[in-house]
Amino acid sequence: GAVVSQHPSRVICKSGTSVKIECRSLDFQATTMFWYRQFPKKSLMLMATSNEGSKATYEQGVEKDKFLINHASLTLSTLTVTSAHPEDSSFYICSAGWGSGNTIYFGEGSWLTVV
Amino acid sequence: DAKTTQPPSMDCAEGRAANLPCNHSTISGNEYVYWYRQIHSQGPQYIIHGLKNNETNEMASLIITEDRKSSTLILPHATLRDTAVYYCIVRLSNSGYALNFGKGTSLLVTP
Repeated sequence: GAVVSQHPSRVICKSGTSVKIECRSLDFQATTMFWYRQFPKKSLMLMATSNEGSKATYEQGVEKDKFLINHASLTLSTLTVTSAHPEDSSFYICSAGWGSGNTIYFGEGSWLTVV
Repeated sequence: DAKTTQPPSMDCAEGRAANLPCNHSTISGNEYVYWYRQIHSQGPQYIIHGLKNNETNEMASLIITEDRKSSTLILPHATLRDTAVYYCIVRLSNSGYALNFGKGTSLLVTP
C-alpha cells in the first residue's frame, strides 16, 4: 500500500509555544490530506481536510486559528498547534487517499505532550 | 456517510477464524465498505474494502450481504498480533471524502 509518514512521532513542548507536525505522502501525490486527533481510549476525530494550494476545511468545533494547516505541495501537509496548552496533548494522525477506490492510508501518528 | 454499528468487543482464540460483523443498513448505492484496524498507539491500518462483491486479500476476506446492509470481516487464522480495534466505515469512493470513525470493535486474540 501507499506510504504516509509523519514527523515527529513524539514531541514535548512548553505551554504557550507552537509545534509543527509534518505529514508526507512518500510514494504518491495527495491533493487532499486529512488530520485527526485521538484522545486515550477514544476513537479518531476528524479535525480538518487539507487541500493542496487552498485553505483547509475545518470540522465544527475545531479552532482554525489554533490548528493551522498548510498544504503547500502535493506531498506535504503541516499541522501547527499554536499557543499550545496541556489540553491540546493528544495523538495527532494524518491520512491521504491513493489508488483505485481512493483508499485512504494513515501516517504513524504524532504524540504531542504539552507541559 | 452512512453510520455503522459494530459490537464493542470480541474475543478469538489464536489460530481460529475471527469474524467481525458490521451493520450499515442506511448505506447508499455508491458507498463502499472499508475496514481498518488500529493497534495501540499506531495510526490505523487499511485492511480491505468492497462495494458489492466479496473481496479477499492477503490480510482478510470481506463478505457483504446481497442487500448490502451488513458485512463481515474475516481474519482466517487470527494471531496475537491481530489484537486491535477494528473499524468498519462506509464512504464514497472519492479522494475528497474523509473516513469518519465510530467506536469500532476491540478484538482480543488469546493464546
